[in-house]
Amino acid sequence: RKEVEQDPGPFNVPEGATVAFNCTYSNSASQSFFWYRQDCRKEPKLLMSVYSSGNEDGRFTAQLNRASQYISLLIRDSKLSDSATYLCVVKGIAGNNRKLIWGLGTSLAVNP
Amino acid sequence: NAGVTQTPKFQVLKTGQSMTLQCAQDMNHEYMSWYRQDPGMGLRLIHYSVGAGITDQGEVPNGYNVSRSTTEDFPLRLLSAAPSQTSVYFCASSYPRGGNEQFFGPGTRLTVL
Repeated sequence: RKEVEQDPGPFNVPEGATVAFNCTYSNSASQSFFWYRQDCRKEPKLLMSVYSSGNEDGRFTAQLNRASQYISLLIRDSKLSDSATYLCVVKGIAGNNRKLIWGLGTSLAVNP
Repeated sequence: NAGVTQTPKFQVLKTGQSMTLQCAQDMNHEYMSWYRQDPGMGLRLIHYSVGAGITDQGEVPNGYNVSRSTTEDFPLRLLSAAPSQTSVYFCASSYPRGGNEQFFGPGTRLTVL
């Protein structure tokens, strides 16, 4: 089993739709979780960190389910500009806090 | 602030050639790292540094060298380029440790013929 797994997609949704991605991780001792966004042929940029209690930033909601070892990203009212690849990132186990484990990404295409 | 800058943006090498990819940041970040990104493989850590004078290997260090003489600069050297090193290379920095938000440079697209 890969350390971090994502459905590669692509997810094709119309503008205004709600879409959700999941990301599963294998190490139950993982400490921190993030969602990054990567536009085509660009560098990754932090979208949001994922907190244990869940967190929201505008149209984006991130949640963590430690029992089932996955994090999720919900995008409401999708915009054309949300089209990108969304990378799930998990921070490695304690004692090796420089290790970030990157998922392969989920591709989202928002259509007019 | 320029953030993280990388040069060159594009490079074509022949097998066996050497070159240095440049990376600089002006955010006074202690932690800097190099990744390569390949289709189906995701981002893989090549080398990283936790401060000037300190470097360490990441997941895929073979064929690459790094040095960190200043806080700002973290060059990546390809010793003898191979076609398997064709990739997109990203430099990233963060403060104070690598587990926090990574700021990436725009990347260098390298092709080795």
